[in-house]
Amino acid sequence: QVTLKESGPVLVKPTETLTLTCTVSGFSLNNPKLGVSWIRQPPGKALQWLAHIFSNDEKSYSASLKTRLRISRDTSKSQVVLTMTNTDPLDAGTYYCARVQRGGFPVVNYFDLWGQGTVVTVSP
Amino acid sequence: QSVLTQPPSVSGAPGQSVTISCTGSSSNIGAGYAVHWYQQVPGRAPKLLIFGNTNRPSGVPDRFSGSKSATSASLAITGLQPEDEADYYCQSYDYMLSGSTAFGGGTKLTVL
Repeated sequence: QVTLKESGPVLVKPTETLTLTCTVSGFSLNNPKLGVSWIRQPPGKALQWLAHIFSNDEKSYSASLKTRLRISRDTSKSQVVLTMTNTDPLDAGTYYCARVQRGGFPVVNYFDLWGQGTVVTVSP
Repeated sequence: QSVLTQPPSVSGAPGQSVTISCTGSSSNIGAGYAVHWYQQVPGRAPKLLIFGNTNRPSGVPDRFSGSKSATSASLAITGLQPEDEADYYCQSYDYMLSGSTAFGGGTKLTVL
């Protein structure tokens, strides 16, 4: 059974660093056809892609958040970690990790499995 | 402002059909990249509904279908059921974007 599960703090203070962990099971982070993305959703708003990482350690970040994000993976623990520095109340919302099917043109990078999400509040 | 444009809302009565559009540009859908659709029931994580423009993952009813043309794509839902009430998002690859991932702004489907 393939699963992804997010974990991290429920509450962080503004300017603090947020660290979220995605623990995967049922597939390998070394699979060249797969990757893991982080996607967030502010309350009542649309999905916003944040970052992804692939088996060759290729990483990409949302342009608007690039300076504040870092994604990494620990294959021994089957975990993908996202850190976000200098948090702001606007960073509050539900954070999802999702498995990426890398594919090839024209079917590229879609999210076939999602975690349940973890809710983050940013407040003093 | 989303790179892919969706109508904010659509509605239909049980048994009817609705279509949700997703309009892109020459750097994403127009460049030939496939469109994928996700369903998000309130309070739940998104779920893959359609991938590669027209393909349904195992377990997705054939009431859901996707199509693509030029710089746009559509999700059609026939025989509306109350449990179809959800938010629907389109997504595609965009070579102009950092990370290349574009989502639509989402469409709220209300089953009247």
